[in-house]
Amino acid sequence: GIQVEQSPPDLILQEGANSTLRCNFSDSVNNLQWFHQNPWGQLINLFYIPSGTKQNGRLSATTVATERYSLLYISSSQTTDSGVYFCAVGDTGNQFYFGTGTSLTVIP
Amino acid sequence: ETGVTQSPTHLIKTRGQQVTLRCSSQSGHNTVSWYQQALGQGPQFIFQYYREEENGRGNFPPRFSGLQFPNYSSELNVNALELDDSALYLCASSQTGYEAFFGQGTRLTVV
Repeated sequence: GIQVEQSPPDLILQEGANSTLRCNFSDSVNNLQWFHQNPWGQLINLFYIPSGTKQNGRLSATTVATERYSLLYISSSQTTDSGVYFCAVGDTGNQFYFGTGTSLTVIP
Repeated sequence: ETGVTQSPTHLIKTRGQQVTLRCSSQSGHNTVSWYQQALGQGPQFIFQYYREEENGRGNFPPRFSGLQFPNYSSELNVNALELDDSALYLCASSQTGYEAFFGQGTRLTVV
């Protein structure tokens, strides 16, 4: 299967700071999504981004498929951004391979 | 709100028992996948169903089985529960090849 590595594993930020989360993957993919897992366990869709760049408010993401990585940018972080961020990549069968996540804590 | 709902939200079972988890897919989606997430880990793929047929399986034993119904809802069945089966079980629905959406999960505890 496809190997997915996320970095950093843990991140602590002061409210208002910016951050970059990275996802490296070992093979070509047809699908890449970023999720935020809330404290109750639900995976909230942030971006569907197999390639290119997208922005949604304070969040943006870039995937460079040829170099097998994706970046998630969080600007002006808020305490509500705290939680675990997952990168998931998919092959032709729509099976997702997840990284181990980045745990983000935003301090007021 | 993803439109994907799972039931029950929490469940406690005894080792050796059997359990059935349910997932109602988002309208218009023909593919449903199940994942197991142990504490502190990323979700692991169990299997996927497309138009009521199993369409891929991860590294899980045969005591993990599933069904997809004509309305694209789905069940995950686990027989002979073991303590290590304690986890969050997540269901995802999608139109094949497009963005997937997850339910809120079922937290299973085996004692």
